[in-house]
Amino acid sequence: KAGVTQTPRYLIKTRGQQVTLSCSPISGHRSVSWYQQTPGQGLQFLFEYFSETQRNKGNFPGRFSGRQFSNSRSEMNVSTLELGDSALYLCASSRLREGLYANTGELFFGEGSRLTVL
Amino acid sequence: KNQVEQSPQSLIILEGKNCTLQCNYTVSPFSNLRWYKQDTGRGPVSLTIMTFSENTKSNGRYTATLDADTKQSSLHITASQLSDSASYICVVRGGTYKYIFGTGTRLKVLA
Repeated sequence: KAGVTQTPRYLIKTRGQQVTLSCSPISGHRSVSWYQQTPGQGLQFLFEYFSETQRNKGNFPGRFSGRQFSNSRSEMNVSTLELGDSALYLCASSRLREGLYANTGELFFGEGSRLTVL
Repeated sequence: KNQVEQSPQSLIILEGKNCTLQCNYTVSPFSNLRWYKQDTGRGPVSLTIMTFSENTKSNGRYTATLDADTKQSSLHITASQLSDSASYICVVRGGTYKYIFGTGTRLKVLA
């Protein structure tokens, strides 16, 4: 069974540009979430999608956006890039299992897209 | 404030020895707690996931415990191997507070 696929794996942009990252979840998984990982802040939650709808959003500025398509594939976009946006962006998919308050499905992460902003 | 704190920040042990990593959280309400292993340059891989009603869960040489009353969890690694060298991340989820990540414990196992 294929895992979570993220593209591109590496990319370099300059300040002010925008970037789009793609994530293909495991077949059958309808929940996709995105994370930013930096050495200083660790992993931080960006947003979560299910059935093309954003379910939750982390504390990031509006420059960070995402969407999910009918085939569950997801994209995230960062506009007007800043130096501080340099990070590893991770996507995770899960088979949604509703718990008391939130999804308790196991998360399967991709290998990430490493973005460098110059 | 919803926080997840892990200790120690880093740890060096000899191959074959046991070790225990700690995770304290203040997230409320609580839904579940997860431990992940992340090798350098790779995505995290799930080790365990526990809900508030579970207090112990094992995955091979990894055993996680959860005390929902004191809001503490631990990850015990038995008979460590060189391949256990990685970062171990504790993640708590509850209510509308999304996923709250700890900053991780970096484990180095020496031969």
